[in-house]
Amino acid sequence: QAGLTQPPSVSKGLRQTATLTCTGNSNNVGHQGAAWLQQHQGHPPKLLSDRNNNRPSGISERFSASRSGNTDSLTITGLQPEDEADYYCSAWDRSLSAWVFGGGTKLTVL
Amino acid sequence: EVQLVESGRGLVQPGGSLTLSCSASGFTFRNYNMHWVRQAPGKGLEYVSGVSSHGRYTYYTDSLRGRFTISRDNSENTMFLQMSSLRTEDTAVYYCVKEDSGFDVWGQGTMVTVSS
Repeated sequence: QAGLTQPPSVSKGLRQTATLTCTGNSNNVGHQGAAWLQQHQGHPPKLLSDRNNNRPSGISERFSASRSGNTDSLTITGLQPEDEADYYCSAWDRSLSAWVFGGGTKLTVL
Repeated sequence: EVQLVESGRGLVQPGGSLTLSCSASGFTFRNYNMHWVRQAPGKGLEYVSGVSSHGRYTYYTDSLRGRFTISRDNSENTMFLQMSSLRTEDTAVYYCVKEDSGFDVWGQGTMVTVSS
C-alpha cells in the first residue's frame, strides 16, 4: 500500500527552525491535506496539526503546518530539547479508502 | 477526560486468533470514526483498519483485508478488532485511535506478540 514520503532524519541546532516535509499525491495529501503527529520514545503519538492545519488545544504555536500541492510541511521554530522525537504525517487516501502514513522523520536537536 | 483504553493483549501462536477491544469515554463515541493503528517494535506507524461513526463503513489496509475484521458497539462505546491467521509480522503495539480531521486521541496501546 503506497505511503507518504518523509525524510528519515533531520538535525538542527537549539533555537533553530526545522521544516519537515511529507509528500503524497493527488489522492491523499493533495486531496484533503495531511495531519502531523509527534511521538516520543515509549509513548503513543500526539496530534500536532490536523488536516486543516489547525493545532489542537495545548499545542505550542511553535508548530505550524502548511501545504503546497501534494506536499505538506511542518515547521517547528525555536527548537527545544523536548522537540527531539519522531514525526509522522498521515492522510486519507481516497483511491485506497484507507489512511496512509509517512515513514516518519527522526528530529535531532543538537 | 477523553480516554481510549485497549485490552486483549497477548501472546499468540502463528495461525492463531485474537480479538482486541477499545473502550471509549469522555466523548460522544457514536459521532466519530474510529481506527486501529499498529507499530511493530522499532518501526513506524502502520494503518490497520477503521470504522465509520455509525458502523456502516469499514476500511482496511490492503495487506490485512480478509484476516482482520473491525466492528463497533455504539451502545457500549466499544470498538473491536478480530484478528485471525496471525503471522509473526503482525507482532506490534496496537493503538485505538479517534478521528477528528486527523488522529486526535490515542490509547496507550496493547502489545500483540505472535510467536511459537
